[in-house]
Amino acid sequence: SAVISQKPSRDICQRGTSLTIQCQVDSQVTMMFWYRQQPGQSLTLIATANQGSEATYESGFVIDKFPISRPNLTFSTLTVSNMSPEDSSIYLCSAKSGYNEQFFGPGTRLTVL
Amino acid sequence: DAKTTQPNSMESNEEEPVHLPCNHSTISGTDYIHWYRQLPSQGPEYVIHGLTSNVNNRMASLAIAEDRKSSTLILHRATLRDAAVYYCILRPNSGGGADGLTFGKGTHLIIQP
Repeated sequence: SAVISQKPSRDICQRGTSLTIQCQVDSQVTMMFWYRQQPGQSLTLIATANQGSEATYESGFVIDKFPISRPNLTFSTLTVSNMSPEDSSIYLCSAKSGYNEQFFGPGTRLTVL
Repeated sequence: DAKTTQPNSMESNEEEPVHLPCNHSTISGTDYIHWYRQLPSQGPEYVIHGLTSNVNNRMASLAIAEDRKSSTLILHRATLRDAAVYYCILRPNSGGGADGLTFGKGTHLIIQP
């Protein structure tokens, strides 16, 4: 199994600013992902964080808005740029290795005023 | 990913069995059936997965129809801690591969004491 921690756990930000969310896994994993969960909704995949290369984004998500880094096999960051109230969501980091299940972090609850 | 259909919500009593259904009529021959659950204010966690045969683990059992067009997650003796949103997800090749998960709306399970 893998234990995933995220920082910050929650934040309240002003419109137009940016927030970087950190994700740390306690073991080396092959794949890391970022998801968004809007209020009362299910999870939506934002992107796959690729180690040493650009992230792979899902339809509707772009690098300028959600830049992602993954410098090694245990760490990734997601930045929410130029925030608006519509970006208020829970952002979750996830990781997997091989053919096993995905593990999820506790999420970062973001409120944009 | 092929589409799954689940009831929006279900209610059960504590210490009784719970049967959570999932329809996946467009499942392909190589799709595995995965179940995750999301407890309140937490990230999702893996529950169980299977291909054709029924599966058991410490958390639950998975019963798969002979034609694989539906499946049922069985919690043998529900506790209050089992109150969560349960997601049925189809994954190719037992979840191997580089793709993240596609979450539907899931079933909100309510456990009455």
